[in-house]
Amino acid sequence: DGGITQSPKYLFRKEGQNVTLSCEQNLNHDAMYWYRQDPGQGLRLIYYSQIVNDFQKGDIAEGYSVSREKKESFPLTVTSAQKNPTAFYLCASSIDLGGGNQPQHFGDGTRLSIL
Amino acid sequence: AQSVTQPDIHITVSEGASLELRCNYSYGATPYLFWYVQSPGQGLQLLLKYFSGDTLVQGIKGFEAEFKRSQSSFNLRKPSVHWSDAAEYFCAVGAGEYGNKLVFGAGTILRVKS
Repeated sequence: DGGITQSPKYLFRKEGQNVTLSCEQNLNHDAMYWYRQDPGQGLRLIYYSQIVNDFQKGDIAEGYSVSREKKESFPLTVTSAQKNPTAFYLCASSIDLGGGNQPQHFGDGTRLSIL
Repeated sequence: AQSVTQPDIHITVSEGASLELRCNYSYGATPYLFWYVQSPGQGLQLLLKYFSGDTLVQGIKGFEAEFKRSQSSFNLRKPSVHWSDAAEYFCAVGAGEYGNKLVFGAGTILRVKS
């Protein structure tokens, strides 16, 4: 079955620590996205990537970093510079970025909490 | 800038009753519009989408939505709600150069009472 796998499902971070959230897809999609979800605020775009070795900042990129070394993988690092990292993080993918008629498919999310 | 407003934070309906969830968007051109559903602790599942053509769009699980350009609305409807429909529903508009950067509304939580 094709889909998007996010791991871990729950993650805890200590103050001053960087943590990395994994996102893998086997849909052969070119475009991948990271969103942050906070209660009552919907989803906000952190970073997106349309091809390997290329990515763009979204609306709330500060305190986050990403890499796209493989088509299937788009890990997100939450750095110590992100002062309020507690949230639900969702990874998504779409066939490519060339046209809004390609819906995004979502993983099941990672919930990050601060110890 | 593009924006999406879902006026209702919570809605409670009885099982078997009809449902309408409201969505208003702000976008200069013809929008790409989506409805997603999210169960607690899960990712989002696409219910339906509108790009062009027929303004009444059919989706999965018996949902439909109607695009009304004059009202900048894309309301989601279902004639008879089932208890399994209890979830959070998000409306989104495709923004950016390619229309694939989604701007989401804040969501509407649907409760179904038996």
